[in-house]
Amino acid sequence: DAMVIQNPRYQVTQFGKPVTLSCSQTLNHNVMYWYQQKSSQAPKLLFHYYDKDFNNEADTPDNFQSRRPNTSFCFLDIRSPGLGDAAMYLCATSRDNNKPQHFGDGTRLSIL
Amino acid sequence: AQSVTQPDIHITVSEGASLELRCNYSYGATPYLFWYVQSPGQGLQLLLKYFSGDTLVQGIKGFEAEFKRSQSSFNLRKPSVHWSDAAEYFCALRMDSSYKLIFGSGTRLLVRP
Repeated sequence: DAMVIQNPRYQVTQFGKPVTLSCSQTLNHNVMYWYQQKSSQAPKLLFHYYDKDFNNEADTPDNFQSRRPNTSFCFLDIRSPGLGDAAMYLCATSRDNNKPQHFGDGTRLSIL
Repeated sequence: AQSVTQPDIHITVSEGASLELRCNYSYGATPYLFWYVQSPGQGLQLLLKYFSGDTLVQGIKGFEAEFKRSQSSFNLRKPSVHWSDAAEYFCALRMDSSYKLIFGSGTRLLVRP
C-alpha cells in the first residue's frame, strides 16, 4: 500500500550519460517535490510542482530538469550527471503547499 | 534567516532507556514544526507535527514532542527506546504560507542492546 513510489531504488549511470528517475503517487496530491540528499546531510529541495506549475529553487543547477505529465507521475531528469550528483533522490507529495509532505523511499544514484 | 539546529550529531542510548532529541529553531513568527525519521536506505517518515494548539504533540511509534516558544525548541521524546528506533531523525520547520521545509542537519540515534 505504498503511496509514494520511486523507481528504481538503485540507479547506476555513467558520467555524462542522461538519467531519469521516476516517482508516482496514489494520494492524488496536488504538489510533488524532488529533493537531493547527500550522505549524512539533510534533504535539499531541488524543485516542486503545484499541479502543472513548475517551481525551481534558485540554487538548483540547470543540469536538473523535471516533468510532470499527469497528477500521478513526476520525473527527475539529470542531463549530464557528474560525480557530485551521486546522492539519494527523494520524491515527496503534499495535498497542498501548506500540508505535510509524504516521502517515497528514494532512489540512490551512483555515477561511474 | 530562518533555520533549524539539531545540536547533537549522534546520540547513543540503551534499549529501554528514555530519549530526548533536541531541536531549536529561528523564526520570528509561530512556525509549523515537524519531526521525520529516516531508516538507512529509506525515505523520510513523518513522526509528528505541530501547527497550533496543544504544545505537547503525540506522534506515531510512541514519540511525542513539546513546543516551547520561550526556548524556540521542539524536542522529541520517547519514554522507552526500542532497537528498531535506531535511525536518523530530522527536525524541520515550515513558515506560514510557505511550501518549503527547512531541515536541521539530523541526529543519528544508535541503540545499545
